[in-house]
Amino acid sequence: EIVMTQSPATLSVSPGERATLSCRASQSISNNLAWYQQIPGQAPRLLIYGASTRATGIPARFSGSGSGTEFTLTISSLQSEDFAIYYCQQYSNWAFGQGTKVEIK
Amino acid sequence: QVQLQESGPGLVKPSETLSLTCSVSGGSMSTYYWSWIRQPPGKGLEWIGYVYYSGSTNYNPSLKSRVTISVDTAKNQFSLKLTSVTAADTAVYYCARVLGAALADYWGQGTLVTVSS
Repeated sequence: EIVMTQSPATLSVSPGERATLSCRASQSISNNLAWYQQIPGQAPRLLIYGASTRATGIPARFSGSGSGTEFTLTISSLQSEDFAIYYCQQYSNWAFGQGTKVEIK
Repeated sequence: QVQLQESGPGLVKPSETLSLTCSVSGGSMSTYYWSWIRQPPGKGLEWIGYVYYSGSTNYNPSLKSRVTISVDTAKNQFSLKLTSVTAADTAVYYCARVLGAALADYWGQGTLVTVSS
């Protein structure tokens, strides 16, 4: 069973700054990884798939990288609407990470 | 634009069966997988399973003995049944469209189901 681990649990960032979120797989998953954003009270929204491809309508400030076991989601300049919880998910057994909360510093 | 809407009882008694339906509009169900995902209050996401438009299914092993997901393409709906529920099954239940059996690109708004007597 593949386990996904995200870090940190909470990230405090000022608006306009860069945020870097990490996701680690317990074994290699190639680039079979997606990232979702969830604003409290709303459904998750697909941001990134294939580790680095932005989903339709996702702003360019969101970027994903990595392969194998180490992955990163970067938000280049945080906007007010980006403060949310972010989840990674690997494809084969649909395991989600526990989430990283991005909060206003 | 594809839209999904969950419906069903918001309260289920322990040991009974949770039943939800997802209605799909704005697109065809053909060639896609359709999934249920849940989120206990204040916790993370848990995949329950998915159904292909043809009816084949795949379930989370931890829930497999209690879950049935079915599809009715004529009604543009798919459904979830979860038997023998306990308080641990209390969650917001989301339905979603799935690409390539791998990831969810459209989600319903979610419906809270509470298991309590």
